[in-house]
Amino acid sequence: GESVGLHLPTLSVQEGDNSIINCAYSNSASDYFIWYKQESGKGPQFIIDIRSNMDKRQGQRVTVLLNKTVKHLSLQIAATQPGDSAVYFCAGGGSTLGRLYFGRGTQLTVWP
Amino acid sequence: GAVVSQHPSRVICKSGTSVKIECRSLDFQATTMFWYRQFPKQSLMLMATSNEGSKATYEQGVEKDKFLINHASLTLSTLTVTSAHPEDSSFYICSAGNYEQYFGPGTRLTVT
Repeated sequence: GESVGLHLPTLSVQEGDNSIINCAYSNSASDYFIWYKQESGKGPQFIIDIRSNMDKRQGQRVTVLLNKTVKHLSLQIAATQPGDSAVYFCAGGGSTLGRLYFGRGTQLTVWP
Repeated sequence: GAVVSQHPSRVICKSGTSVKIECRSLDFQATTMFWYRQFPKQSLMLMATSNEGSKATYEQGVEKDKFLINHASLTLSTLTVTSAHPEDSSFYICSAGNYEQYFGPGTRLTVT
């Protein structure tokens, strides 16, 4: 199976600053990674995904970087806002299977 | 975007009773759905893969006789927690998608 973990359980940033959340994975066969945001009492919300044939993918205010050499991916949030406060999970798996293995999660707190 | 719903959002039941949770894909068909459980301040743990028209595939350590899964149509999967006990209290989340996984809002189960 997959083992996906996060380096830090909590992250606090000032509003307007950039946030970087890191994640490591162990299975070299993983070819699909997703970042999810989960607010308290709600289901995970898709943020951005990346396939293993890419190193970087950008969305609105978010960028995911994938380093396959060291099995590491990160989520960068630009100009972090209070509404970004949530738990962020990385998940990995084989895209053809659809089964995802989630990391522990990082609680992001944005201070005004 | 794709929408996945769950019903009920919250349920309280007595120990020994059974509870059924529904997961529906509202605007797309899904031959495969996934069921996760999440304990407080922890990550999502994949329980099983629900396959339309066939038996579910359970992850290691998940009791298939306790967590009955039925995927009767391309838009509906149900998870029945049989003979529920307090340790089954958790947040149950489903996902669906033919490639990207979209998550339902979750069902909070409390067994008293």
